[in-house]
Amino acid sequence: SAVISQKPSRDICQRGTSLTIQCQVDSQVTMMFWYRQQPGQSLTLIATANQGSEATYESGFVIDKFPISRPNLTFSTLTVSNMSPEDSSIYLCSVEEEDEKGYTFGSGTRLTVV
Amino acid sequence: GESVGLHLPTLSVQEGDNSIINCAYSNSASDYFIWYKQESGKGPQFIIDIRSNMDKRQGQRVTVLLNKTVKHLSLQIAATQPGDSAVYFCAENSGGSNYKLTFGKGTLLTVNP
Repeated sequence: SAVISQKPSRDICQRGTSLTIQCQVDSQVTMMFWYRQQPGQSLTLIATANQGSEATYESGFVIDKFPISRPNLTFSTLTVSNMSPEDSSIYLCSVEEEDEKGYTFGSGTRLTVV
Repeated sequence: GESVGLHLPTLSVQEGDNSIINCAYSNSASDYFIWYKQESGKGPQFIIDIRSNMDKRQGQRVTVLLNKTVKHLSLQIAATQPGDSAVYFCAENSGGSNYKLTFGKGTLLTVNP
């Protein structure tokens, strides 16, 4: 299965600032996704990162707050903009494996906004 | 809206016992289901998956059962070990052009030595 590297693994940020999270995959993948996992809760899809076009956002998530880049088939970034304490969560990158082998997740970025 | 949920938020078992974690789903169009294990400080780890044309699939020490009639999914772990302690999530996908995974709430499994 694909190996996903996420950076940073954790960060503590001041409110009003922005953080960019990187996701690097060791193979070319068509579908890349960004999820949020709030403390003690399940995963919620933020958006799908499309290579060569704008990301597709889920209900409740907007590009101005969570801009996403997907410059190639192995890399994506998610920015959490103008952060508030409510943005404190784990942010996870995921890819769809080829040949119908499911979805693999990175280890996540644990964000705390103070 | 459509959702995936779990019957039990916590499960505590003795080492060596079998564990059963349940999940109810509401989207009858879902045709692909995955169980994930998430240990503290880590991302979800794929355990096993099943497609809707099957009702049972076995892996190493794990079995997933799918009952489409009542929209129920379960994960059975045989001879549970302390290393199995984690949060377990079920996730569903309705297939076709809908690539999105919808996750259940999670069950915390604690294995007592």
